[in-house]
Amino acid sequence: GQQVMQIPQYQHVQEGEDFTTYCNSSTTLSNIQWYKQRPGGHPVFLIQLVKSGEVKKQKRLTFQFGEAKKNSSLHITATQTTDVGTYFCAGPYSGAGSYQLTFGKGTKLSVIP
Amino acid sequence: NAGVTQTPKFRILKIGQSMTLQCTQDMNHNYMYWYRQDPGMGLKLIYYSVGAGITDKGEVPNGYNVSRSTTEDFPLRLELAAPSQTSVYFCASSYGSFNYGYTFGSGTRLTVV
Repeated sequence: GQQVMQIPQYQHVQEGEDFTTYCNSSTTLSNIQWYKQRPGGHPVFLIQLVKSGEVKKQKRLTFQFGEAKKNSSLHITATQTTDVGTYFCAGPYSGAGSYQLTFGKGTKLSVIP
Repeated sequence: NAGVTQTPKFRILKIGQSMTLQCTQDMNHNYMYWYRQDPGMGLKLIYYSVGAGITDKGEVPNGYNVSRSTTEDFPLRLELAAPSQTSVYFCASSYGSFNYGYTFGSGTRLTVV
């Protein structure tokens, strides 16, 4: 089955530094989603990418979908303490005849003030 | 708008006990999901439902059961609790399938001792 791999697993940055997390799939994806989970909280939907090579921005966050639709990245410019949390990517998984979202293991971001 | 509401927030069970995790949504979403989250392991799909009266197994269904009698409610039943079921459980809903963002509840932290 399709797997969604995320790297790195952990990232510690100084406040103001940039941060990037990468998501790689073993198969071509129809779409990819990104979620953020604050410590002790629940995942919150950030964005969905659908088109090959698509780039979307949300303030300091930039999301990219690879040309082959097998990888994606999330880049945060000038991190702030409010960016702390775990960032998950998720793509459709085929199992038992239907597609459901499969989540990567996430990248846990720590920001040192 | 309450979104997705889960109860209880915390629960301690003894081995062999049973319990039902409640989940209700007020967004009129047809799709609902149960995930479990273990430290460093991302989110694993337990069961999902595409509408009232229709449920299906996800990646890790063993030891759990679900029902979907209404659009709003999707309870998760644990029979004969085992320590391996110690986890954080999240219910989620979406307007459509994997091509729509999921709205998650705040989670239930379950410990089996």
